[in-house]
Amino acid sequence: AQSVTQLGSHVSVSEGALVLLRCNYSSSVPPYLFWYVQYPNQGLQLLLKYTTGATLVKGINGFEAEFKKSETSFHLTKPSAHMSDAAEYFCAVSDRVSGTYKYIFGTGTRLKVLA
Amino acid sequence: EAQVTQNPRYLITVTGKKLTVTCSQNMNHEYMSWYRQDPGLGLRQIYYSMNVEVTDKGDVPEGYKVSRKEKRNFPLILESPSPNQTSLYFCASSLKGGGTIYFGEGSWLTVV
Repeated sequence: AQSVTQLGSHVSVSEGALVLLRCNYSSSVPPYLFWYVQYPNQGLQLLLKYTTGATLVKGINGFEAEFKKSETSFHLTKPSAHMSDAAEYFCAVSDRVSGTYKYIFGTGTRLKVLA
Repeated sequence: EAQVTQNPRYLITVTGKKLTVTCSQNMNHEYMSWYRQDPGLGLRQIYYSMNVEVTDKGDVPEGYKVSRKEKRNFPLILESPSPNQTSLYFCASSLKGGGTIYFGEGSWLTVV
């Protein structure tokens, strides 16, 4: 079965430092991959997605992620953290299984940005 | 404005009292689904629907029912709520299964 693993349920970085949130998935074929962000008391908002084509995907708020098939990874990065980036981040995959689509979410990584 | 709307946003109810959480989307999406979010467990899919009158179980369907009589609406029904169904619930939709999924703002449900 498809699975998504996010390493680190909590990550702390200093303001201005690199943000790296890790995501690995299990799939025998390249799935569609997503990163979502959840701010307190809000729903999930799409940051970026990979479907096909260029493996480096740019999203909103300066985030980007690189699809690495050989490593089955889709890590999220941002060169310089801002206080407003503090939120919970979810990696997700969608995969076609028996004619229907399943979305599998990781357990989330809560990002804390230190002043 | 394109959106997924869920109601109620906050609810405290008692064990065994049937309740329905409504979900409506105005994007003409075919795919709709319900998730529950619990600390440390991420989002887990309860039910999903590929189109009108087509629904299927997700990973944690026990204790829930859904219906999809119209394309825009996908209510979640708890026939006899229990305390272990206390959670944050999200409705979501996608144009077609597999693509970007859009979420409602969530419904906090407490069962006492």
